[in-house]
Amino acid sequence: ELKVEQNPLFLSMQEGKNYTIYCNYSTTSDRLYWYRQDPGKSLESLFVLLSNGAVKQEGRLMASLDTKARLSTLHITAAVHDLSATYFCAVAPYSGGGADGLTFGKGTHLIIQP
Amino acid sequence: SQTIHQWPATLVQPVGSPLSLECTVEGTSNPNLYWYRQAAGRGLQLLFYSVGIGQISSEVPQNLSASRPQDRQFILSSKKLLLSDSGFYLCAWSRTGDGYTFGSGTRLTVV
Repeated sequence: ELKVEQNPLFLSMQEGKNYTIYCNYSTTSDRLYWYRQDPGKSLESLFVLLSNGAVKQEGRLMASLDTKARLSTLHITAAVHDLSATYFCAVAPYSGGGADGLTFGKGTHLIIQP
Repeated sequence: SQTIHQWPATLVQPVGSPLSLECTVEGTSNPNLYWYRQAAGRGLQLLFYSVGIGQISSEVPQNLSASRPQDRQFILSSKKLLLSDSGFYLCAWSRTGDGYTFGSGTRLTVV
């Protein structure tokens, strides 16, 4: 059974600081996804990581994937209040590109204070 | 471009009543379709997925069922709702090897 662990689950930080959210998963996979969820809203896709060593950046967020370590990171640079949200990582099981659904971590509730 | 629609956005239903939530995708053919549930303050749980018309895979045994009567339509149903069925229900679609896109969700409260 595929398990996905995120840490920390709750993070309060100040504007301007840097921080990293970690996502570990238990079985072989080369498909990892990061999503953002605002209160009461659906999931917004942030990054799709489909190979070992993949790195993607959008604004103050950067995500990377190490399939050998079964680890993905979401790095926040010089945080701003607008980045306050819950961030989820999700993994698709390695099945030759099949249609299996995603297994999600529990989410990291991020609060950025002025 | 592809879009995914879910309705209704909010639903309050009494215990024991039936349920039907609908999801449709536009702008693509033969998508993979998924139903997820997010209980209050918790993560997302995959309920069902479908790779084609009439093909449904259930991930968790429960009080719910799913159907796919048309290529781009996915329906989540229950004959008799339980209090524990309350939650935020999300439909999603994907093409194999690509990302997964989520609908806007239905917030279901069973009273």
